[in-house]
Amino acid sequence: KAGVTQTPRYLIKTRGQQVTLSCSPISGHRSVSWYQQTPGQGLQFLFEYFSETQRNKGNFPGRFSGRQFSNSRSEMNVSTLELGDSALYLCASSTSGRRDEQFFGPGTRLTVL
Amino acid sequence: AQKVTQAQTEISVVEKEDVTLDCVYETRDTTYYLFWYKQPPSGELVFLIRRNSFDEQNEISGRYSWNFQKSTSSFNFTITASQVVDSAVYFCALAPPNDYKLSFGAGTTVTVRA
Repeated sequence: KAGVTQTPRYLIKTRGQQVTLSCSPISGHRSVSWYQQTPGQGLQFLFEYFSETQRNKGNFPGRFSGRQFSNSRSEMNVSTLELGDSALYLCASSTSGRRDEQFFGPGTRLTVL
Repeated sequence: AQKVTQAQTEISVVEKEDVTLDCVYETRDTTYYLFWYKQPPSGELVFLIRRNSFDEQNEISGRYSWNFQKSTSSFNFTITASQVVDSAVYFCALAPPNDYKLSFGAGTTVTVRA
């Protein structure tokens, strides 16, 4: 069974640009969560989608948004990039999200110059 | 508010030594879920264990064992007879019963030297 895949693995952008990251969950998983990992703030929850609906959202500005498609694939978008957005963005999928173990992808390393 | 504290930033041991990682949590929920994840240098978080607050039995899985003590709000993790492949960052995390987000601790970097 294929794991969670994230594309691209590495990305370099400049301030002010926008970026879209993609996550393909494990087949049959309907819940997708996104996390940001930085050396200073650690792992922080961004949002979670289930059946194309955002069920929960972390404390991030509106520049961070996401969506989920009918095939459960998810994208997150960051607009007007700032230097502080440089991070490893991790996607996790689970069957239903409710207390299930989450399987994480390898992450997308975003560098903002 | 939920909070997870991993007081140990880094631990370095020699192969075959035991290592215990501390995790203390705070929550107002009466039911909750606790997790441990391993993050090797590749970056991918690997699930190790999930424990619900009603189950205080300790658990052993191979060289890994977990000690959950609700009275002290702790969920400690021990690696017995450590190996070089155990070198990674280990995260403790907490989830409320009806929410979908994990609150992670800052992580403990474990280095096992041959």
